[in-house]
Amino acid sequence: EAQVTQNPRYLITVTGKKLTVTCSQNMNHEYMSWYRQDPGLGLRQIYYSMNVEVTDKGDVPEGYKVSRKEKRNFPLILESPSPNQTSLYFCASSWGDSYNEQFFGPGTRLTVL
Amino acid sequence: QQQVKQSPQSLIVQKGGISIINCAYENTAFDYFPWYQQFPGKGPALLIAIRPDVSEKKEGRFTISFNKSAKQFSLHIMDSQPGDSATYFCAASPGTYKYIFGTGTRLKVLA
Repeated sequence: EAQVTQNPRYLITVTGKKLTVTCSQNMNHEYMSWYRQDPGLGLRQIYYSMNVEVTDKGDVPEGYKVSRKEKRNFPLILESPSPNQTSLYFCASSWGDSYNEQFFGPGTRLTVL
Repeated sequence: QQQVKQSPQSLIVQKGGISIINCAYENTAFDYFPWYQQFPGKGPALLIAIRPDVSEKKEGRFTISFNKSAKQFSLHIMDSQPGDSATYFCAASPGTYKYIFGTGTRLKVLA
């Protein structure tokens, strides 16, 4: 089944404790992206990757890191999480250019205490 | 200006009625306008999308109307059904892999 998977789905952590949210897709998509969803703010793009080893900042990259060492994986790293990073996070992937459908993962709900 | 303004925030429609959600943008570099549908507990899924070379696109009961001069686009859901109850997001992209999403509209269709 073609899909985007994220792990973990739920995470409660404390301020400053490094964490990684994994994202994997099995559709051989070149493009992958991370978003955060907050009430009243919609979806905001954190980072995106056009292909292996090529990443760029979205609108809200502060406090996040990403890497794209393999085509199928695009982990999101929070080096020192803070409470304002409490949010619902989505990973997405798509073919080639910007005009294609993005396929979203099921989401990761992160709470930083 | 990168913002995409979406309205209304919430919408209640009777079964069989027309649901209309509006979005407005400032950046004239945007040239791809998708709409995503999100059910509770799920990730967003593409519903329909339009490029600015056409003023309207229809797929089943869903229609995007696009007004390039006014920098506005809207989603019309004809014959709305309870199964359409979801949150809808408009988005815009300048074709550079960046996406700007609206703030979302929570639609409830009453049976």
